[in-house]
Amino acid sequence: AQSVTQLDSQVPVFEEAPVELRCNYSSSVSVYLFWYVQYPNQGLQLLLKYLSGSTLVKGINGFEAEFNKSQTSFHLRKPSVHISDTAEYFCAVSNTGKLIFGQGTTLQVKP
Amino acid sequence: EAGVAQSPRYKIIEKRQSVAFWCNPISGHATLYWYQQILGQGPKLLIQFQNNGVVDDSQLPKDRFSAERLKGVDSTLKIQPAKLEDSAVYLCASSLAGLNTEAFFGQGTRLTVV
Repeated sequence: AQSVTQLDSQVPVFEEAPVELRCNYSSSVSVYLFWYVQYPNQGLQLLLKYLSGSTLVKGINGFEAEFNKSQTSFHLRKPSVHISDTAEYFCAVSNTGKLIFGQGTTLQVKP
Repeated sequence: EAGVAQSPRYKIIEKRQSVAFWCNPISGHATLYWYQQILGQGPKLLIQFQNNGVVDDSQLPKDRFSAERLKGVDSTLKIQPAKLEDSAVYLCASSLAGLNTEAFFGQGTRLTVV
């Protein structure tokens, strides 16, 4: 069985500050890893994904994530956030096509 | 390129009533998913179709939920009868066939059961 744990339910941060959203996963087989963003009253949009190869993955809107197999983590980072980054962020794993999501982290960017 | 279309956007019904949601995936996408997202939680897969066949419906409450994908294109998800705990956002997603292809999500249908 696979599972995803997002360690922070809410992350408040000031505009232009760096941010890290933490994600740990559990799986007995190799998995693909994803980060999705959800703006209010919208569906989910893919930020980035790790399939294989380089453990540092760059995504849209200046986000990046690092896959750490030994720590079973896939933390999301951005060096400088904007007000427009305020949203819900979901980490997910997959090895059969279906996505298993974490509980989500609310990123609140303050001016 | 048109995205995943869902309707209606919002629905309010009384418990024990029935409701249906519709999804039109991106053209050419063989795989279609229905997810349930309860407030404050991550989406949970209800059912996965590959063309018009069911791949995974292990989390679908089959006593009240049903889904079909006629001709491998559009899909409908039905709840009959609805319970209060069915209040959630129902998200449809589609992707090309394959294990590592990106899933594209619709805007969802927000269901409130009163």
